Amino acid sequence: AQSVTQPDIHITVSEGASLELRCNYSYGATPYLFWYVQSPGQGLQLLLKYFSGDTLVQGIKGFEAEFKRSQSSFNLRKPSVHWSDAAEYFCAVGSFGNDMRFGAGTRLTVKP
Amino acid sequence: GAVVSQHPSWVICKSGTSVKIECRSLDFQATTMFWYRQFPKQSLMLMATSNEGSKATYEQGVEKDKFLINHASLTLSTLTVTSAHPEDSSFYICSASSTSGSSNTQYFGPGTRLTVL
Repeated sequence: AQSVTQPDIHITVSEGASLELRCNYSYGATPYLFWYVQSPGQGLQLLLKYFSGDTLVQGIKGFEAEFKRSQSSFNLRKPSVHWSDAAEYFCAVGSFGNDMRFGAGTRLTVKP
Repeated sequence: GAVVSQHPSWVICKSGTSVKIECRSLDFQATTMFWYRQFPKQSLMLMATSNEGSKATYEQGVEKDKFLINHASLTLSTLTVTSAHPEDSSFYICSASSTSGSSNTQYFGPGTRLTVL
């Protein structure tokens, strides 16, 4: 069965610092991997996705993620965090046409 | 990009009443739509998968008679919470799957917050 683990429940970084959010997955086949961001009381916005090809994926808002098959990981990174990046981040794994499984989420707090 | 809307965005109802939530794909056809619920400070939990013109597939533990799902067209799916109780209060989010081209991505609606008094 597919599953996603986000080891960090809450991360605090200073504005301008770099960010890395961890995501590990378990899936029997080649997974489709996603990162979503959710602001309080809002729906989910897709940051980026990986289906195949280049393992370093660029997304919106300056985010990128790297798929590492050997580590079953898909960590999200940003070189310089902005205060507006404070939100909940969800990693998800899915397959073509099927549902997605979400990680528990990582709440990002940005210190001024 | 693909846009998914939900209506209403917020609903308060009395215990025992039924509430219908609509999910629409505005600029694409969605053969598959998904319904999730999210409790405060928790992740999304899939409730059911809905394919246009067929019965929804419910996840284990989700009561299909309580959470009625209809996917009558390629742009509309509805979730009806029947005889709602306070424990049904939650954030309900739908998503629609676009299978255009070679990629598959779910696009999420903004969510509907249900409060049952």
